[in-house]
Amino acid sequence: EVQLVQSGAEVKKPGESLRISCKGSGYSFTSYWISWVRQMPGKGLEWMGRIDPSDSYTNYSPSFQGHVTISADKSISTAYLQWSSLKASDTAMYYCARLERDGDYNYWGQGTLVTVSS
Amino acid sequence: DIQMTQSPSSLSASVGDRVTITCQASQDISNYLNWYQQKPGKAPKLLIYDASNLETGVPSRFSGSGSGTDFTFTISSLQPEDIATYYCQQYDNLPQTFGQGTKLEIK
Repeated sequence: EVQLVQSGAEVKKPGESLRISCKGSGYSFTSYWISWVRQMPGKGLEWMGRIDPSDSYTNYSPSFQGHVTISADKSISTAYLQWSSLKASDTAMYYCARLERDGDYNYWGQGTLVTVSS
Repeated sequence: DIQMTQSPSSLSASVGDRVTITCQASQDISNYLNWYQQKPGKAPKLLIYDASNLETGVPSRFSGSGSGTDFTFTISSLQPEDIATYYCQQYDNLPQTFGQGTKLEIK
């Protein structure tokens, strides 16, 4: 069974760093790109970027480029989303998703809620 | 970025009704469009890929059509479990972009 299991909810202060994770199982992790999607409270879905776990090649949305880092460790089938300096506006639910064919996502993580507050 | 404009933003319908949601792209995206359903507190679920292909296991009352810039998502007979927010998503160009969502409620 294909699963993407994300790390648990986080509460952080502005300026702190954070890395959340997404562990894939039940499939060949290096065969499918992983994307990250943000959903701010009560808002819609925003595509942040994606990574090819086979070689860690990444694409970022310009809206997120420079503010987050997407990485992967194929030895443990895990993708990461990282911030070096959080802002209150980073408060959101973050989902990882597996890229199926050319652009659709059939498997999603359960989401990681990140709360940034002083 | 390609802008995806969904309408309506919210919709109230009765069980058994035919429901239609539209999604317009700011430029030609061929058929590179997907539709998702999201229920409160849950991750999105893929319903339709490549504009008109029904994902495996998704009920046949869901359908999609369109190409170029104009797309339609239809529920042929609304069921109580279809209450959710629906999103279109284009993947013709990076960054991939989603519509703003259509919140569907039961009348």
